[in-house]
Amino acid sequence: EPEVTQTPSHQVTQMGQEVILRCVPISNHLYFYWYRQILGQKVEFLVSFYNNEISEKSEIFDDQFSVERPDGSNFTLKIRSTKLEDSAMYFCASSAVRSGETQYFGPGTRLLVL
Amino acid sequence: KQEVTQIPAALSVPEGENLVLNCSFTDSAIYNLQWFRQDPGKGLTSLLLIQSSQREQTSGRLNASLDKSSGRSTLYIAASQPGDSATYLCAVAGGTYKYIFGTGTRLKVLA
Repeated sequence: EPEVTQTPSHQVTQMGQEVILRCVPISNHLYFYWYRQILGQKVEFLVSFYNNEISEKSEIFDDQFSVERPDGSNFTLKIRSTKLEDSAMYFCASSAVRSGETQYFGPGTRLLVL
Repeated sequence: KQEVTQIPAALSVPEGENLVLNCSFTDSAIYNLQWFRQDPGKGLTSLLLIQSSQREQTSGRLNASLDKSSGRSTLYIAASQPGDSATYLCAVAGGTYKYIFGTGTRLKVLA
C-alpha cells in the first residue's frame, strides 16, 4: 500500500540554524500539507500546497517557514532560523483530491532545537 | 472558526469493556471526519474516515458515528484490549480542507 514517507525521523539542531524536513507524498497525490504537534499539545495545521503554490497557511507559518516541491516527488518544509519553540513533531500529509478525500499522514519528523 | 473538543481527556478501563469516545465540533459544514490513533511519541494511524454524507463507519471492533447537525461524532470500541491503549484523535476537514484536530482522549486498557 502506498504511503507517505518523511526524513529524517529525528533531527537535533542548534537555535538559529536552518533545517529542512523532507517528505515524499504518495505518487499520484496533488495536495500536500504540513502539520506540527508540540509535545503534549494538539496537532496544528501549518500549510497546504497545490500546483506549486501555497493554498493556505496558518498564523504559525510565518516568514521563518517555507515550503517547496523541488523535483516533483519531494515536498520540503524549511525553517530558516530555528527557535526553541519550533521543537515539535512535524507531520506531512497528502491527498489525491480535496473534498471528501482523506489525507494520508507520514510518520513524522521529531525536531529538537537546543 | 472550527473548534474540536474531545471528551473525556483520559479514560482507564478494564480489559473487555465496551467504551465510547466523544468528539464535538462547532461548525457543522465539514467534508469529512477522521479518527486517528497515536501511540506515545509516534505518528498518526488512521482508524476510520466518515464522509459528511455518511452516518457511520465500521472497521473490526471499531465503529464511528457522525451527526453533523449536532456537531458530534463518537468512536465505539468493542471488547477493549490492552493493545488498544493509545491516544485517540478526532479531526475534521472543513471548507478549506485542512484538518482541525481535537486534543485527544488518552485511553488505558488494564489487563
